[in-house]
Amino acid sequence: QKEVEQDPGPLSVPEGAIVSLNCTYSNSAFQYFMWYRQYSRKGPELLMYTYSSGNKEDGRFTAQVDKSSKYISLFIRDSQPSDSATYLCAIPPNAGNNRKLIWGLGTSLAVNP
Amino acid sequence: DAGITQSPRHKVTETGTPVTLRCHQTENHRYMYWYRQDPGHGLRLIHYSYGVKDTDKGEVSDGYSVSRSKTEDFLLTLESATSSQTSVYFCAISGLAPDTQYFGPGTRLTVL
Repeated sequence: QKEVEQDPGPLSVPEGAIVSLNCTYSNSAFQYFMWYRQYSRKGPELLMYTYSSGNKEDGRFTAQVDKSSKYISLFIRDSQPSDSATYLCAIPPNAGNNRKLIWGLGTSLAVNP
Repeated sequence: DAGITQSPRHKVTETGTPVTLRCHQTENHRYMYWYRQDPGHGLRLIHYSYGVKDTDKGEVSDGYSVSRSKTEDFLLTLESATSSQTSVYFCAISGLAPDTQYFGPGTRLTVL
């Protein structure tokens, strides 16, 4: 079993839809969770950063962590064509030491006008 | 791109030739990373650096070497390029929040 799993999609939704992107992880000791967005032919950019369980909201984006299920989600409200990108989850296996991240493969999202 | 540049942005080379990719940052951050990104494999860490002259291997380091003689520059060298090293290479630096990383624009390398 991979340490982090993410459905690669592609996911296609109409403009204005609520999008749910998800990752599962295997190690209950993981503490920090990140979401990155990557546009085509660009480098990944940090979108959300959360610690422990619960929700974190930033504009139209909400990151949710369920540590009991080892499940993290990114919700996008009122999705826009500009949200079309690949979304990657990332988890530091040894939190706080800046050494390595475990990456999901990414979910490709297309928001259709 | 958080003050990170990569050069060259595109390169085509032949099997067996040496190739050096450069990452330059203006943020004075301690940690720097080299990744490759391939369909079906996602982002994979090649090497990283935690200071000048301090480097360590990632999960796919075979065939690659790195050097960091200055805080701002991190070089990735393919000593003898192979077709399996055709990929998109990303440099990253550590962010302000622990464990976060900021990425450069990438270098698209093709080995014929």
